[in-house]
Amino acid sequence: GAVVSQHPSRVICKSGTSVKIECRSLDFQATTMFWYRQFPKKSLMLMATSNEGSKATYEQGVEKDKFLINHASLTLSTLTVTSAHPEDSSFYICSARDPGQGYDEQYFGPGTRLTVT
Amino acid sequence: SQKIEQNSEALNIQEGKTATLTCNYTNYSPAYLQWYRQDPGRGPVFLLLIRENEKEKRKERLKVTFDTTLKQSLFHITASQPADSATYLCALGTRQAGTALIFGKGTTLSVSS
Repeated sequence: GAVVSQHPSRVICKSGTSVKIECRSLDFQATTMFWYRQFPKKSLMLMATSNEGSKATYEQGVEKDKFLINHASLTLSTLTVTSAHPEDSSFYICSARDPGQGYDEQYFGPGTRLTVT
Repeated sequence: SQKIEQNSEALNIQEGKTATLTCNYTNYSPAYLQWYRQDPGRGPVFLLLIRENEKEKRKERLKVTFDTTLKQSLFHITASQPADSATYLCALGTRQAGTALIFGKGTTLSVSS
């Protein structure tokens, strides 16, 4: 299957700083990527849909000025958590659809554990 | 409102038995349904996709059924092994390209030897 990578896998930052998380599709081009957030023992919550060459579409309740998404190329989307606070600590996961699979099968990155102290 | 329910939060079975996980949905007409495996601290791993016009799909020891009348999917793992212990997520998708999946909360399966 298609491979999606994320970097970093873990990050610890101080309150008030910004953190950037990268999501890459390694063996396919993804015009659309998705960013999810997951709390312990909870399901994945969609934060935003990242579209190559255009603005991201954010889900209701997600602050677009706090969670900046940039889809700079067909293989890279970034999520920047600005002015991070402890409540932003979570597991962030990106995903992408592989056009070669008819856009239906969705592949996930390994996730990034963010801890804000 | 749209709702996806995975009936059991946890399921414990003995090695060698068949594990059956349930996914029900309401107020939704999915074009397809996907099942994922998620291990602690890791992203979900794609297992199987079944479309609305398909009744059953198999892959090695895995079998998925999809009943659009009952609005239900069943996920079976036959001859289960301790290595199958993980959280299994079901997710629904629409025909609209570029739209995200909607996930259930998952069922954590524990297979004891």
